[in-house]
Amino acid sequence: AQKITQTQPGMFVQEKEAVTLDCTYDTSDPSYGLFWYKQPSSGEMIFLIYQGSYDQQNATEGRYSLNFQKARKSANLVISASQLGDSAMYFCAMREGWDNNDMRFGAGTRLTVKP
Amino acid sequence: EAQVTQNPRYLITVTGKKLTVTCSQNMNHEYMSWYRQDPGLGLRQIYYSMNVEVTDKGDVPEGYKVSRKEKRNFPLILESPSPNQTSLYFCASSLGLADLQYFGPGTRLTVT
Repeated sequence: AQKITQTQPGMFVQEKEAVTLDCTYDTSDPSYGLFWYKQPSSGEMIFLIYQGSYDQQNATEGRYSLNFQKARKSANLVISASQLGDSAMYFCAMREGWDNNDMRFGAGTRLTVKP
Repeated sequence: EAQVTQNPRYLITVTGKKLTVTCSQNMNHEYMSWYRQDPGLGLRQIYYSMNVEVTDKGDVPEGYKVSRKEKRNFPLILESPSPNQTSLYFCASSLGLADLQYFGPGTRLTVT
C-alpha cells in the first residue's frame, strides 16, 4: 500500500501567487516525521521543511509552510509568493517511528510557475 | 563545505558486470541511505544505515548490497547489474532521524 500519496502530478501557479501541494500519508505509528523536498531540473534534492507528528504548530520556513492536519493524515506544502525559481519537482516523504531510518517518498508534483 | 559526494556521476555498464557507487559525507552523520529515483515512482529507499556496521533493508533492496565500515562512507554495490536497475541513484545522510537529509548529487546508471 502507498504510504505517501501526492495526487497532483503537475501544478501551475502564477508568479507571486500562493500554491498548495497536496500530500497524504498512511501510518499507524504515532511517532513519525514528514518532510518536503524540492528537486529542480539540475537534479539535486533540497530539503525544505519538516513536521514531527507531535509538533503542536505547523512548521514554517520562510515562504514555505506545512499545513499539517493530523486527523486527516495530510501534510500539504504551501508556498507563498511563488517565484520563477520555485519551478521544480516537489516530494513529500515520511519516516515512521524513531528507531529506524526507513523513509518513504511520494511520486512527486511538478510545479511550474508562470511569469 | 558540508557535503555528500557520489562517484561516479554517470555510468553506463553491461549486464552482469559488478559495480560500486561510492558515497561519502564529511559531516560526521550517523544516518545514511541509498535511494533510486524512477519516473512516476518518486524516490524509493534501497538500504539505510544507522551507524557503522549497522545496515538495514529499505523498500527495494533486491539486487543491491551495502557496507558501512566507516562512518563517512556508504558504498552501494551491484554484484550483477540488470537493465531494471537503470535509474538515478541518490545517497543521503543526516545527523539524526528528525533532521534533514543532505543528498548527494546523484548517479545516473544505465545497464544495457
